[in-house]
Amino acid sequence: GDSVTQMEGPVTLSEEAFLTINCTYTATGYPSLFWYVQYPGEGLQLLLKATKADDKGSNKGFEATYRKETTSFHLEKGSVQVSDSAVYFCALSPNTDKLIFGTGTRLQVFP
Amino acid sequence: EAQVTQNPRYLITVTGKKLTVTCSQNMNHEYMSWYRQDPGLGLRQIYYSMNVEVTDKGDVPEGYKVSRKEKRNFPLILESPSPNQTSLYFCASSFRGENTEAFFGQGTRLTVV
Repeated sequence: GDSVTQMEGPVTLSEEAFLTINCTYTATGYPSLFWYVQYPGEGLQLLLKATKADDKGSNKGFEATYRKETTSFHLEKGSVQVSDSAVYFCALSPNTDKLIFGTGTRLQVFP
Repeated sequence: EAQVTQNPRYLITVTGKKLTVTCSQNMNHEYMSWYRQDPGLGLRQIYYSMNVEVTDKGDVPEGYKVSRKEKRNFPLILESPSPNQTSLYFCASSFRGENTEAFFGQGTRLTVV
């Protein structure tokens, strides 16, 4: 069945470091891909999305490109801040209303 | 303000004592769902509803019930809670369609002893 695989965390970085969180997926057809972020004590919120191959989603300095050939949707940010510390979830929507989530990757950014 | 409201935020209960977690959204969304979040497992869908009076099982429905009598409300019912239902629960809502953004409540942390 459809699934999402994320890199294990936590990812620990110093402020202004470059961030990559890997995400690969398995799906039939052409799903939409998402990154959601969960700040401490809060629910998830949409960070960015891409709906077709080669689309790049971007928001708040984060980017991810829908790579059909490698079935990947890696999240990147050029310079992280302490306020980016959160749990990041990669997700896909396989041509339905449903969202299928990865296990989440905790990011910790230190000053 | 557009939001999904869950109550309570925290709940400790005993095995077998029926409980309800409420969820309400003010965005006129057709689609609503419940997830549970467990360490190492991410979010797993419990039940979902595509519209009023239409509900269906998600991936982990055992031990849960839902109802959708009104568009804005989607309560989660645990008729006889067990310790393995100790978890963090999220309600979410969205418009129909695969590309739409899902809005999440702040979560309900449930402990069953």
